[in-house]
This record gives sequence, C-alpha cells and structure tokens, in this order.
Amino acid sequence: AQTVTQSQPEMSVQEAETVTLSCTYDTSESNYYLFWYKQPPSRQMILVIRQEAYKQQNATENRFSVNFQKAAKSFSLKISDSQLGDTAMYFCAFTNRNNNNDMRFGAGTRLTVKP
Amino acid sequence: DTAVSQTPKYLVTQMGNDKSIKCEQNLGHDTMYWYKQDSKKFLKIMFSYNNKELIINETVPNRFSPKSPDKAHLNLHINSLELGDSAVYFCASSQEFGFNYGYTFGSGTRLTVV
Repeated sequence: AQTVTQSQPEMSVQEAETVTLSCTYDTSESNYYLFWYKQPPSRQMILVIRQEAYKQQNATENRFSVNFQKAAKSFSLKISDSQLGDTAMYFCAFTNRNNNNDMRFGAGTRLTVKP
Repeated sequence: DTAVSQTPKYLVTQMGNDKSIKCEQNLGHDTMYWYKQDSKKFLKIMFSYNNKELIINETVPNRFSPKSPDKAHLNLHINSLELGDSAVYFCASSQEFGFNYGYTFGSGTRLTVV
C-alpha cells in the first residue's frame, strides 16, 4: 500500500523568507504522480504544484518549487519569498494508475507566515 | 462558474437523522470522489465513481451511500447520523485518464452532528 508521510505538523516562517516542507512516500510503483495541495482557512483545497515521477526535472510554479528525489522517495516543497497569504495547511499527495486513481494524502503541515 | 460545487456548505443536525450532501461538477470529468476530513485535518477517501460505477469503497459504515444520477453528479447520503460523523466532507473530480493532473475539489461541507 502506498503511504505518504509529512513529519512536520507545524512550521513557521518570517515574511519574505524561504521555507521547505518535507514529504516522503512509500511505493513499489515506478510510474506515479505527486502533488502539493494548499488548504487556507477558507478550507478550499488548492493544487499548488505537481510532479511526474518519470521526469527528473523538478517542477516549479512561480515562488513554489519541489525537490524530488525518486531514489529516496522524497518530495519536498520550497516556498520562496513567503507571503502572509501562504499561511495554510499544506498536504502532500500521491496517486498512480494501480490505485484506481485514488489520491492518498499525508497528514498535513500547518504553515504560518509571520509579519 | 464554479467547477465543483457542493451543497450545503454547513449542515447541523441531530443524531439519528438522515441527511444528504450534493455535488456537481461542470468540468466534464469522468470520475468523482468523496473524501472525509476529520478534526485533525486528515483526508481519507470514502468513495469514487467512474461512469456511474463504484470503483473504490473504503471501509466506511454502510450508513454512508453514494448516489450518482449522472456523470456530473455524485451525492452522499448518510443515514442514522452519529456524533463521530462530524467532519468536513469534500467532493472532488478528475479525468479518468488525466488523474495525473490532480483532482479539483469542492469547497467542502462541514457536518456537525449534535
């Protein structure tokens, strides 16, 4: 069974600084997809960034980037130039074909950006 | 237009009642899902429907039943509500062969059982 682990329940960062959220996963599959979702206090789930396992290049979306280490099964999220609006729960997620498209989530990291 | 819409956003009800949460998507997606988010924010898959067929059914109580009248709708019916059913329920959708692009989520329904 695929599992997703986020070992940091809570983190904080000063506005304009950089923060990295950790995520590890366990799978025997070679083709899969990884995601980071953001859930602000409004509780809406927002897709931040996605990574295809067969691509070695790390995905980037503006201030958000990932460090994907396939051999280590690690998928961390880096937020640069943190903004107050980045305050939210962040969920790492995994899916692949053999999971019937089922997306598995980590327990989440609560990020607070301080002014 | 809202891509995935859920109604109601908030639902407060008494133990023992039967309630429904509705979900509609206008994205033309093939698969729809229901997730439960507990008080610790943990997200767990409950059900998914692909072309009106149930393809995932996690170990949820049979008091919960999904109903899909068509590809664009997946409603969640809950019978004999219990205190432990209090949670936020999310509907989501994806393309069957585009699941790698992630899910689109509704805004959630906060269910409170008193």
